[in-house]
Amino acid sequence: DTAVSQTPKYLVTQMGNDKSIKCEQNLGHDTMYWYKQDSKKFLKIMFSYNNKELIINETVPNRFSPKSPDKAHLNLHINSLELGDSAVYFCASSPRLAGGPLYNEQFFGPGTRLTVL
Amino acid sequence: RKEVEQDPGPFNVPEGATVAFNCTYSNSASQSFFWYRQDCRKEPKLLMSVYSSGNEDGRFTAQLNRASQYISLLIRDSKLSDSATYLCVVPLRFYNQGGKLIFGQGTELSVKP
Repeated sequence: DTAVSQTPKYLVTQMGNDKSIKCEQNLGHDTMYWYKQDSKKFLKIMFSYNNKELIINETVPNRFSPKSPDKAHLNLHINSLELGDSAVYFCASSPRLAGGPLYNEQFFGPGTRLTVL
Repeated sequence: RKEVEQDPGPFNVPEGATVAFNCTYSNSASQSFFWYRQDCRKEPKLLMSVYSSGNEDGRFTAQLNRASQYISLLIRDSKLSDSATYLCVVPLRFYNQGGKLIFGQGTELSVKP
């Protein structure tokens, strides 16, 4: 009964390849996110989707393309992988989009450790 | 000032010690704050929310000082299992900011026997 799941857990690939990471949440949440955590452990948001609508698109290379087929899934496709893409990618979800003074907890998936050789 | 800045670590303390972490934030309009805990090679998990002046949950106390724009986390009677990285998190408040959380760089705590 995993709340937020990601596949694969580990991904090792060559520079220039295209890869996808899948995320699913079974919490009934409206909002989902992708974060990147680099080697210095900084967590930075990449994208957020609310009910399949893109809300946040941070300054991320357009080689990264999120896709939300339904509100329980948010996948991340990466084209032409580069060495600097090596990081841990976390998916997260929250019950609804923040819009007032109180915010909802974000629940994180276990992460996908991407290594680009 | 950085959006969210935390005490540099690591903090190495003996079991039973009291330890406090500080976090400063730059956006004076921020109204709510979180402390997340991240174990080694795991995902972040919510530890505490802070909406008013403070919050207490067992051995953990979070305090907010709006005038000085800082949040603190106090851990009393440290346990070995408290060893982790503690992340100070500030949400942005408007709809078009899409639930964006700004994470601090984290403070690593190591509790020794």
